[in-house]
Formats: sequence, structure tokens, C-alpha cells
Amino acid sequence: SQKIEQNSEALNIQEGKTATLTCNYTNYSPAYLQWYRQDPGRGPVFLLLIRENEKEKRKERLKVTFDTTLKQSLFHITASQPADSATYLCALPFSGGYNKLIFGAGTRLAVHP
Amino acid sequence: EADIYQTPRYLVIGTGKKITLECSQTMGHDKMYWYQQDPGMELHLIHYSYGVNSTEKGDLSSESTVSRIRTEHFPLTLESARPSHTSQYLCASSWQGKVDTQYFGPGTRLTVL
Repeated sequence: SQKIEQNSEALNIQEGKTATLTCNYTNYSPAYLQWYRQDPGRGPVFLLLIRENEKEKRKERLKVTFDTTLKQSLFHITASQPADSATYLCALPFSGGYNKLIFGAGTRLAVHP
Repeated sequence: EADIYQTPRYLVIGTGKKITLECSQTMGHDKMYWYQQDPGMELHLIHYSYGVNSTEKGDLSSESTVSRIRTEHFPLTLESARPSHTSQYLCASSWQGKVDTQYFGPGTRLTVL
């Protein structure tokens, strides 16, 4: 069955540094992959989508890569700020069709001043 | 900010009570979803709908039921609440299509005593 792995340990970095979060998946070749941000007690917010034929996608300070050979996506936040502190979730379409997503458990990012 | 609303935001209720969690969206999305999420854990899909009069059970077994009589409204009902139902419930919606980008509501934090 599909499995998504994100680092369960929190990532602590200094303000201004680049944060890099990892999403690994198994038993699947998804057509696309998405990243969401979730703040405590709130619903996730969509950030970026990358398709299987794209190696990299950027949006302002965010960058996502997608390596279908390694079955891995990397999510980068450059010039990180304390306001970037949140949990970041990776999501893939369910292998049985396009109509559902499978979410990873997320990695918590803490950016310290 | 997505136009998807959930009420109540917080609910504390006694065992055995019937409850309905409301979810409404004004984006005209065909697809709607209910997820359950415990602190620090991944989202689990409990119900979804592809349109009016269409509802399906998700990957996580749930004693709750849902209905979809109107496109914009997707309420979730628990006939008899139990302490094991204590959790965060998140509603989401998305367009029909090959890419399933979901927009989430703020969630309902349910506590059953």
C-alpha cells in the first residue's frame, strides 16, 4: 500500500537560514505531489504542487523538487523567518484514482530569531 | 483565505449526546471531505463526497455519518458521542478534475467527556 514518510523530528533552524524538509514515498508513482502548511489548531493550507514531469517549482521563498527515481520530494524555505514556523505536510493523490489525497504526518519547523 | 467554514470551532459535550458538525463552502466545489486528526498525527479521511447525493466512507472507519443535499453543505453527524470520538475534525473541498488541491476549513475541536 502507499506510504508517505516525513521526518517526525522537529527541524530547528536560525532565522535567515534555509530550511529543507523531506518527503519520501513508496509503492507508488504519483502524477503530482503537493505541500501544505498547517498551523496549530488550524486546517492545512495549500502551498505548492509539482507534477511528475517537473523537477523543480518555485514560489517566492519556497522551492520544491521532485525526484521520481528516488521517490522523494524536497521542500526548501530560503531566508527563513519565525513566521515560517509551522508543520509542513506532503500529500500525494491516492493510487486508486485522482479523487483523494494521502497526507504525510508532517514535519514541524521551528525558526528561531 | 479559502471560503470554507466550520462550526462550531470548539465543542465540549457529554457521552451519549447527538452532535452535528457543520461545514459549508462558497467556492462551488463538487468534492468535499471530512478528516480526523489527533495532535501530532496525520490526517485520516473518514468521509468524502463527489457531489450532491454522493457520499463514500474514507480510509479510517468512523461511526459518524454525512449527507450532501446541497453542493455547498456537508454536515457530519455523530448519533451518540463517546470519549473515543475526541479529536479535531477538518472539512475540505476541491474542484472536480485530475488535480486534487484541497482547501480546508479551520476545523472543529471536539471533546467528549
